[in-house]
Amino acid sequence: EAGVTQFPSHSVIEKGQTVTLRCDPISGHDNLYWYRRVMGKEIKFLLHFVKESKQDESGMPNNRFLAERTGGTYSTLKVQPAELEDSGVYFCASSQVPGLGLSKTQYFGPGTRLLVL
Amino acid sequence: QKEVEQDPGPLSVPEGAIVSLNCTYSNSAFQYFMWYRQYSRKGPELLMYTYSSGNKEDGRFTAQVDKSSKYISLFIRDSQPSDSATYLCAMSANTGNQFYFGTGTSLTVIP
Repeated sequence: EAGVTQFPSHSVIEKGQTVTLRCDPISGHDNLYWYRRVMGKEIKFLLHFVKESKQDESGMPNNRFLAERTGGTYSTLKVQPAELEDSGVYFCASSQVPGLGLSKTQYFGPGTRLLVL
Repeated sequence: QKEVEQDPGPLSVPEGAIVSLNCTYSNSAFQYFMWYRQYSRKGPELLMYTYSSGNKEDGRFTAQVDKSSKYISLFIRDSQPSDSATYLCAMSANTGNQFYFGTGTSLTVIP
């Protein structure tokens, strides 16, 4: 079974540009999460989709970040315009059902490393 | 104040040693406690999962939760060079889906 995949693996852009990150969850997983790790800090929650609906977007830093999950399959996270402080590793995770329990845990992708210059 | 505190290390031990990794937390609502392992340039991989207080053992790994002290631990017995990675604790409240992570502890097991 394929795991969570993310594209691109790395992205280097200039301040003010736009970047779109993509996440493909494990097939059949309705729940999709975005997290971000800024260098030296902990991984922090950004938002949670259940199918195509945003369940919780309390972690989104500001309105320069836009997440979508059209059709309830893959998701994109767009940063526009990018700022220096947006640099970090963006992780996507998916789980089969809401809540917790080993069978419901979140499986993480390898992350997209974003560097804004 | 951070929700979860974790000593970043780095921690370096000889092969075969017992490793102890720890996290403390401030939110008494946390009920679910996870340990993830992350190899360089990879995503976090779930190692252990514990609900509420108590111990859980899986092979060479033991997870302990002490909710009264708001303290969780991961023990690795007979450590191997392949255990060299960053270990992240994560936790969540009973009704929430958001995970709160520690900063991770970098572990190197020297052959």
